[in-house]
Amino acid sequence: EVQLVESGGGMVQPGGSLRLSCAASGFTFSSSWMSWVRQTPEKGLEWVANIKPDASEEYNVGSVKGRFTISRDNAKNFLYLQMNNLRAEDTAIYYCARLYLNAFDYWGQGTLVTVSS
Amino acid sequence: DIVMTQSPLSLPVTPGEPASISCRSSQSLLYSNGYNYFDWYVQKPGQSPQLLIYLGSSRASGVPDRFSGSGSGTDFTLEISRVEAEDVGVYYCMQALQIPYTFGQGTKLEIK
Repeated sequence: EVQLVESGGGMVQPGGSLRLSCAASGFTFSSSWMSWVRQTPEKGLEWVANIKPDASEEYNVGSVKGRFTISRDNAKNFLYLQMNNLRAEDTAIYYCARLYLNAFDYWGQGTLVTVSS
Repeated sequence: DIVMTQSPLSLPVTPGEPASISCRSSQSLLYSNGYNYFDWYVQKPGQSPQLLIYLGSSRASGVPDRFSGSGSGTDFTLEISRVEAEDVGVYYCMQALQIPYTFGQGTKLEIK
């Protein structure tokens, strides 16, 4: 059974940092593109970042460039999202997802990030 | 960025009746390989989104055959042949042709 379990969310002040983790199991993680997608009531679903199986390529949405970094540890089957210089508009539920045939075929349960003073 | 526009945004449906959701993209999603890089997702109450349709018309694993996706280029449709109570949720379209991937606003399907 495929499982994606996010952790690391919480409340942080503007300008602060958080690192989200996603533990993957039930599929060949090291061969899979992986992604982060976030959701807010105001903006709905928003793709955040993708990373290639061997981590040689990363892509992210313009609003997080220079602040968020997606990474992975294929030996441990973990996906990460390092979020720096957080802003109020980064407040969201963050999901990790597997990207297969240009679709998110598996999603985690999400972790809530709240940026507030 | 490619803009995805769904309609309607709210869809009340009687159980057993058909339902249809449209999604239009601001640019063609047809890739040179003949596939449309377009997906449908549903988010049921209290759950994460789940994949329904990928590459425009392929049903994801475990998705009932009452769900079908059609369309090409810039216009796509999700059809539910006979709505059931468990189909309640918010339906999203998404384009995966071009970075940044972008989603539609969502269509809330409710049971009358």
